Amino acid sequence: GQQLNQSPQSMFIQEGEDVSMNCTSSSIFNTWLWYKQDPGEGPVLLIALYKAGELTSNGRLTAQFGITRKDSFLNISASIPSDVGIYFCAGPPEGGATNKLIFGTGTLLAVQP
Amino acid sequence: DSGVTQTPKHLITATGQRVTLRCSPRSGDLSVYWYQQSLDQGLQFLIQYYNGEERAKGNILERFSAQQFPDLHSELNLSSLELGDSALYFCASSLGLAGESYEQYFGPGTRLTVT
Repeated sequence: GQQLNQSPQSMFIQEGEDVSMNCTSSSIFNTWLWYKQDPGEGPVLLIALYKAGELTSNGRLTAQFGITRKDSFLNISASIPSDVGIYFCAGPPEGGATNKLIFGTGTLLAVQP
Repeated sequence: DSGVTQTPKHLITATGQRVTLRCSPRSGDLSVYWYQQSLDQGLQFLIQYYNGEERAKGNILERFSAQQFPDLHSELNLSSLELGDSALYFCASSLGLAGESYEQYFGPGTRLTVT
Protein backbone atom coordinates (compact mmCIF):
# COMPACT_ATOMS: atom_id res chain seq x y z
CA GLY A 1 0.00 0.00 0.00
CA GLN A 2 0.95 3.64 -0.12
CA GLN A 3 3.46 4.78 2.47
CA LEU A 4 4.73 8.18 3.47
CA ASN A 5 8.33 8.43 4.63
CA GLN A 6 9.47 11.43 6.59
CA SER A 7 12.97 12.67 7.15
CA PRO A 8 14.74 13.35 9.27
CA GLN A 9 13.35 10.99 11.89
CA SER A 10 14.37 13.44 14.61
CA MET A 11 16.00 16.83 14.95
CA PHE A 12 17.66 18.50 17.92
CA ILE A 13 18.17 22.19 17.37
CA GLN A 14 18.84 25.44 19.20
CA GLU A 15 16.13 28.04 19.67
CA GLY A 16 16.18 30.51 16.81
CA GLU A 17 17.35 28.05 14.18
CA ASP A 18 15.38 27.30 11.02
CA VAL A 19 14.08 23.78 10.47
CA SER A 20 13.39 21.82 7.29
CA MET A 21 11.73 18.44 7.01
CA ASN A 22 10.24 16.49 4.16
CA CYS A 23 7.79 13.78 3.30
CA THR A 24 8.07 11.45 0.32
CA SER A 25 5.85 8.87 -1.27
CA SER A 26 6.32 6.24 -3.95
CA SER A 27 2.98 7.25 -5.45
CA ILE A 28 1.18 10.47 -6.27
CA PHE A 29 -0.82 12.45 -3.75
CA ASN A 30 -3.30 15.16 -4.69
CA THR A 31 -3.43 16.70 -1.25
CA TRP A 32 -0.82 17.11 1.46
CA LEU A 33 -1.59 17.96 5.06
CA TRP A 34 0.87 18.77 7.81
CA TYR A 35 0.02 18.10 11.45
CA LYS A 36 1.82 18.68 14.76
CA GLN A 37 1.30 16.41 17.72
CA ASP A 38 2.26 17.20 21.30
CA PRO A 39 2.83 14.27 23.68
CA GLY A 40 -0.44 12.62 24.67
CA GLU A 41 -2.50 15.01 22.55
CA GLY A 42 -4.27 14.78 19.24
CA PRO A 43 -2.64 15.95 15.99
CA VAL A 44 -3.29 19.59 15.16
CA LEU A 45 -3.67 20.63 11.54
CA LEU A 46 -1.02 23.17 10.53
CA ILE A 47 -1.21 23.54 6.77
CA ALA A 48 -3.16 22.02 3.87
CA LEU A 49 -1.83 21.94 0.29
CA TYR A 50 -3.99 21.18 -2.74
CA LYS A 51 -1.99 22.02 -5.85
CA ALA A 52 1.39 20.86 -7.15
CA GLY A 53 3.98 23.58 -6.60
CA GLU A 54 1.79 25.38 -4.07
CA LEU A 55 3.60 27.23 -1.30
CA THR A 56 1.54 28.06 1.79
CA SER A 57 2.50 29.79 5.02
CA ASN A 58 1.03 29.78 8.49
CA GLY A 59 2.99 32.18 10.66
CA ARG A 60 6.56 30.91 10.90
CA LEU A 61 5.62 27.71 9.09
CA THR A 62 5.85 27.30 5.33
CA ALA A 63 4.92 24.16 3.43
CA GLN A 64 5.32 23.26 -0.22
CA PHE A 65 3.56 20.75 -2.42
CA GLY A 66 6.29 19.13 -4.55
CA ILE A 67 5.90 19.45 -8.30
CA THR A 68 6.21 15.69 -8.78
CA ARG A 69 3.24 15.32 -6.40
CA LYS A 70 5.27 12.66 -4.60
CA ASP A 71 6.70 14.89 -1.91
CA SER A 72 6.08 17.81 0.38
CA PHE A 73 8.25 20.00 2.56
CA LEU A 74 7.75 21.86 5.82
CA ASN A 75 9.97 24.67 7.02
CA ILE A 76 9.87 26.36 10.41
CA SER A 77 11.70 29.63 10.77
CA ALA A 78 13.20 31.01 13.96
CA SER A 79 12.20 28.02 16.08
CA ILE A 80 10.95 28.50 19.63
CA PRO A 81 10.59 26.01 22.49
CA SER A 82 6.87 25.50 21.88
CA ASP A 83 7.68 24.12 18.41
CA VAL A 84 8.70 20.90 20.17
CA GLY A 85 6.60 17.94 19.08
CA ILE A 86 6.14 15.39 16.35
CA TYR A 87 5.34 16.65 12.86
CA PHE A 88 3.36 14.41 10.55
CA CYS A 89 2.58 14.69 6.89
CA ALA A 90 -0.63 13.06 5.69
CA GLY A 91 -2.65 12.67 2.57
CA PRO A 92 -5.58 10.81 1.07
CA PRO A 93 -4.63 7.85 -1.15
CA GLU A 94 -5.07 8.71 -4.83
CA GLY A 95 -8.17 7.35 -6.44
CA GLY A 96 -9.85 6.65 -3.16
CA ALA A 97 -13.54 7.27 -2.86
CA THR A 98 -13.11 8.55 0.64
CA ASN A 99 -10.92 11.08 2.32
CA LYS A 100 -9.27 8.78 4.82
CA LEU A 101 -5.70 9.82 5.50
CA ILE A 102 -2.40 7.98 5.36
CA PHE A 103 0.08 9.40 7.86
CA GLY A 104 3.82 9.64 7.56
CA THR A 105 6.30 8.20 9.99
CA GLY A 106 6.77 11.54 11.75
CA THR A 107 9.66 13.89 12.52
CA LEU A 108 10.41 14.52 16.17
CA LEU A 109 11.58 18.07 16.81
CA ALA A 110 13.38 19.06 19.99
CA VAL A 111 14.29 22.71 20.57
CA GLN A 112 16.82 23.69 23.18
CA PRO A 113 16.32 27.15 24.68
CA ASP B 1 -9.31 23.31 20.82
CA SER B 2 -10.32 21.46 17.63
CA GLY B 3 -13.98 21.23 18.60
CA VAL B 4 -13.84 17.43 18.54
CA THR B 5 -14.48 15.83 21.91
CA GLN B 6 -13.62 12.33 23.04
CA THR B 7 -14.41 10.43 26.20
CA PRO B 8 -12.98 8.95 28.27
CA LYS B 9 -9.47 10.40 28.28
CA HIS B 10 -7.99 7.29 29.85
CA LEU B 11 -9.26 3.73 30.07
CA ILE B 12 -7.65 0.82 31.86
CA THR B 13 -9.19 -2.60 31.47
CA ALA B 14 -8.32 -6.27 31.48
CA THR B 15 -7.81 -8.67 28.63
CA GLY B 16 -11.01 -10.16 27.29
CA GLN B 17 -13.11 -7.16 28.24
CA ARG B 18 -15.15 -4.84 26.04
CA VAL B 19 -14.99 -1.04 26.01
CA THR B 20 -16.75 1.79 24.21
CA LEU B 21 -15.04 4.98 23.13
CA ARG B 22 -17.16 8.01 22.34
CA CYS B 23 -16.58 10.92 19.98
CA SER B 24 -18.51 14.09 19.15
CA PRO B 25 -17.46 15.79 15.91
CA ARG B 26 -17.07 19.50 15.30
CA SER B 27 -20.32 21.32 14.78
CA GLY B 28 -21.34 20.98 11.14
CA ASP B 29 -19.00 18.09 10.31
CA LEU B 30 -20.70 15.04 8.88
CA SER B 31 -17.72 12.69 8.58
CA VAL B 32 -16.13 10.96 11.54
CA TYR B 33 -12.93 8.94 11.38
CA TRP B 34 -11.27 6.66 13.90
CA TYR B 35 -7.52 6.18 14.06
CA GLN B 36 -5.29 4.03 16.23
CA GLN B 37 -1.83 5.20 17.24
CA SER B 38 0.71 2.79 18.64
CA LEU B 39 4.46 3.06 18.94
CA ASP B 40 5.19 0.37 16.38
CA GLN B 41 2.42 1.11 13.86
CA GLY B 42 2.12 4.88 13.95
CA LEU B 43 -1.22 6.50 13.11
CA GLN B 44 -3.44 3.99 11.35
CA PHE B 45 -6.87 4.65 9.86
CA LEU B 46 -9.55 2.34 11.20
CA ILE B 47 -12.94 3.38 9.87
CA GLN B 48 -14.95 6.32 8.52
CA TYR B 49 -18.61 7.21 8.88
CA TYR B 50 -20.46 9.85 6.94
CA ASN B 51 -23.86 11.02 8.11
CA GLY B 52 -24.56 7.73 9.84
CA GLU B 53 -23.28 5.39 7.15
CA GLU B 54 -19.99 3.51 7.00
CA ARG B 55 -17.89 4.88 4.13
CA ALA B 56 -14.45 3.32 4.42
CA LYS B 57 -12.65 0.66 6.37
CA GLY B 58 -8.97 0.48 7.07
CA ASN B 59 -6.97 -1.84 9.26
CA ILE B 60 -9.81 -2.48 11.66
CA LEU B 61 -9.96 -5.82 13.43
CA GLU B 62 -13.15 -7.87 13.38
CA ARG B 63 -13.28 -7.50 17.18
CA PHE B 64 -13.72 -3.77 16.67
CA SER B 65 -16.85 -2.06 15.43
CA ALA B 66 -18.16 1.45 15.21
CA GLN B 67 -21.33 3.37 14.52
CA GLN B 68 -22.46 6.93 14.00
CA PHE B 69 -25.73 8.03 15.51
CA PRO B 70 -28.37 10.45 14.18
CA ASP B 71 -26.91 13.26 16.26
CA LEU B 72 -23.58 12.49 14.46
CA HIS B 73 -21.66 11.38 17.51
CA SER B 74 -19.78 8.14 17.03
CA GLU B 75 -18.78 5.22 19.18
CA LEU B 76 -15.96 2.75 18.70
CA ASN B 77 -16.51 -0.60 20.36
CA LEU B 78 -13.52 -2.79 21.15
CA SER B 79 -14.21 -6.33 22.35
CA SER B 80 -12.21 -9.36 23.46
CA LEU B 81 -9.41 -6.99 24.24
CA GLU B 82 -5.82 -8.14 23.97
CA LEU B 83 -2.63 -6.61 25.33
CA GLY B 84 -1.73 -5.47 21.83
CA ASP B 85 -4.84 -3.30 21.66
CA SER B 86 -3.25 -0.88 24.10
CA ALA B 87 -2.86 2.35 22.15
CA LEU B 88 -4.12 5.88 21.67
CA TYR B 89 -7.41 6.01 19.82
CA PHE B 90 -8.25 9.22 18.02
CA CYS B 91 -11.43 10.46 16.50
CA ALA B 92 -11.31 13.08 13.76
CA SER B 93 -14.00 14.88 11.85
CA SER B 94 -14.30 16.71 8.57
CA LEU B 95 -16.96 18.53 6.63
CA GLY B 96 -17.91 15.87 4.12
CA LEU B 97 -16.72 13.32 1.64
CA ALA B 98 -13.86 12.91 -0.80
CA GLY B 99 -13.33 15.98 -2.92
CA GLU B 100 -15.19 18.20 -0.50
CA SER B 101 -12.68 18.51 2.29
CA TYR B 102 -9.62 16.54 3.22
CA GLU B 103 -8.90 18.61 6.30
CA GLN B 104 -9.53 16.49 9.36
CA TYR B 105 -9.63 17.82 12.89
CA PHE B 106 -8.61 15.51 15.68
CA GLY B 107 -9.90 15.06 19.19
CA PRO B 108 -7.66 14.73 22.25
CA GLY B 109 -7.73 10.93 22.09
CA THR B 110 -8.48 8.07 24.45
CA ARG B 111 -5.52 6.23 25.90
CA LEU B 112 -6.47 2.57 26.28
CA THR B 113 -4.37 0.33 28.48
CA VAL B 114 -5.15 -3.38 28.49
CA THR B 115 -3.62 -5.29 31.40
